Amino acid sequence: KAGVTQTPRYLIKTRGQQVTLSCSPISGHRSVSWYQQTPGQGLQFLFEYFSETQRNKGNFPGRFSGRQFSNSRSEMNVSTLELGDSALYLCASSRGGGQLYTFGSGTRLTVV
Amino acid sequence: DQQVKQNSPSLSVQEGRISILNCDYTNSMFDYFLWYKKYPAEGPTFLISISSIKDKNEDGRFTVFLNKSAKHLSLHIVPSQPGDSAVYFCAASQGDYGQNFVFGPGTRLSVLP
Repeated sequence: KAGVTQTPRYLIKTRGQQVTLSCSPISGHRSVSWYQQTPGQGLQFLFEYFSETQRNKGNFPGRFSGRQFSNSRSEMNVSTLELGDSALYLCASSRGGGQLYTFGSGTRLTVV
Repeated sequence: DQQVKQNSPSLSVQEGRISILNCDYTNSMFDYFLWYKKYPAEGPTFLISISSIKDKNEDGRFTVFLNKSAKHLSLHIVPSQPGDSAVYFCAASQGDYGQNFVFGPGTRLSVLP
């Protein structure tokens, strides 16, 4: 069965621009979470969506936003990009009540 | 303020020996813990979990130990294999509703042949 698909895999943007990342969860998974991974910081939770509603949110500024569509696909948007936003952005899906996440391969965002 | 800590950024072990990866947490409300393994250019993959009602969980070569009083857990890999070389993340959550796991910074394990 298809895994979690994230597009694009790589992205280079300029400071001040905005970016939208996409995540398609495993079929049947209704929960989608987003994480930011930077060297030395591990994986930091951004937000979680379940049935098109944001269920949990981490400690990131309002420039980071997301949404989920009726088919459970999710997008994450970062506006007014800063150099420090350069990171690997990982999406993970689960059925919603369980603990077993399946992660995508990530989108590596570089802000120059 | 890191709620989940992995104080060893890297660890090298000889093939066939035991690898022990450590994780400490500060939030006593955490009651579910997981270990994920991550290879370069791939997303993390689930390895093993443990809930706070247990102090040990075993799956093949992988065993996780939980010491609630010390707020400490460890992952033992026996015997270690070169394919185990990866970054290992410890993660913790409170309850099983809501998916905002808190991850540690990771430990890079290198298993030397």
